[in-house]
Amino acid sequence: GENVEQHPSTLSVQEGDSAVIKCTYSDSASNYFPWYKQELGKGPQLIIDIRSNVGEKKDQRIAVTLNKTAKHFSLHITETQPEDSAVYFCAASPSSNTGKLIFGQGTTLQVKP
Amino acid sequence: DTEVTQTPKHLVMGMTNKKSLKCEQHMGHRAMYWYKQKAKKPPELMFVYSYEKLSINESVPSRFSPECPNSSLLNLHLHALQPEDSALYLCASSLRQGVYNEQFFGPGTRLTVL
Repeated sequence: GENVEQHPSTLSVQEGDSAVIKCTYSDSASNYFPWYKQELGKGPQLIIDIRSNVGEKKDQRIAVTLNKTAKHFSLHITETQPEDSAVYFCAASPSSNTGKLIFGQGTTLQVKP
Repeated sequence: DTEVTQTPKHLVMGMTNKKSLKCEQHMGHRAMYWYKQKAKKPPELMFVYSYEKLSINESVPSRFSPECPNSSLLNLHLHALQPEDSALYLCASSLRQGVYNEQFFGPGTRLTVL
């Protein structure tokens, strides 16, 4: 079955710097890759997603890139702010169309003011 | 209304108790999910309902019993739980079951089993 690895597990940056989180997946048939942000005491919230037929997608300060050949995808956050501090999870959706999401282990991002 | 609500927020129960978790959404979504999340770990899928029918059971022990009485409501009935079942239980919903359907998560119920 699908397996998703996420790095790094923790990331600390200064406010205004960029942050990059990387994920690799094992099932070449996976075709949907969402990123979730989970703040303390809350459920995960979708922040951006990408489909397998797209190489890059941007939404203001957030971007995701996908390399299907290498089976990896990355989250890029520019001009980080303290409110970006949270746990970020990448996920992959296998091609079975069940809607199942296989999550990475998570990255705790700390943005220092 | 664009949110998933879960009650209670916190629950403490003994191993012989029976309790239920409740999840509600009014977004017209026809797929609903239960996840279990241990501390510092990602959510793990437990059950998926599609159009009020159980679609996926990820080999969850029978002490967890899901129920979907209508398209807006999802329950998780708990009985004879073990201390290792202590976790955050998250409910989610999406417009339909299937790839590309964004899953909206509730805030979770923090469960402690004594």
